[in-house]
Amino acid sequence: LAKTTQPISMDSYEGQEVNITCSHNNIATNDYITWYQQFPSQGPRFIIQGYKTKVTNEVASLFIPADRKSSTLSLPRVSLSDTAVYYCLVGAPVNTGTASKLTFGTGTRLQVTL
Amino acid sequence: EAQVTQNPRYLITVTGKKLTVTCSQNMNHEYMSWYRQDPGLGLRQIYYSMNVEVTDKGDVPEGYKVSRKEKRNFPLILESPSPNQTSLYFCASSPRGRVGTQYFGPGTRLLVL
Repeated sequence: LAKTTQPISMDSYEGQEVNITCSHNNIATNDYITWYQQFPSQGPRFIIQGYKTKVTNEVASLFIPADRKSSTLSLPRVSLSDTAVYYCLVGAPVNTGTASKLTFGTGTRLQVTL
Repeated sequence: EAQVTQNPRYLITVTGKKLTVTCSQNMNHEYMSWYRQDPGLGLRQIYYSMNVEVTDKGDVPEGYKVSRKEKRNFPLILESPSPNQTSLYFCASSPRGRVGTQYFGPGTRLLVL
């Protein structure tokens, strides 16, 4: 089962690009990489998911190198409202319909200030 | 509105008194899961289920039971709660084929005295 490692915390100023890296050295061939955002006292919220190379949506980009042993969540031009904990999740093969144990990392606490 | 609901949201109980936390989703999702969240430990999966009557252990199943008799419901049962089960609990669901894209409930904060 893939174990993930993330930085405990990061600080950024409003308007900057933030990159959060997750290490997952023993990722399985069929595993996907998913990132979540969590605000205090709320459940995590899905941000983005990918398998390899680069994925972009309206809120973030996800970069995955060829060896897939790490991934980087990129948040363009963060604002104060992006202050949250960000979790990397590895597992959950897409489109196979199979059950899967899911293991979250310990999360990265991002603090955005003016 | 598509959502995952949990009840109760807050619960204080005593050691050994059986309790059940309910979870229900209205999105017809196949995959459902329970997590606990503790400071410094992130989210840890307790149990998951891919379908009715199909459940499996996550990373921290000890002291918990689940059942999946209906597709929409996935209750978490603590037969004999202990203080080390004091935690914030989240239920989540996701559709078959996109198990990783989970919808989370609002959480249940449990205190076991």
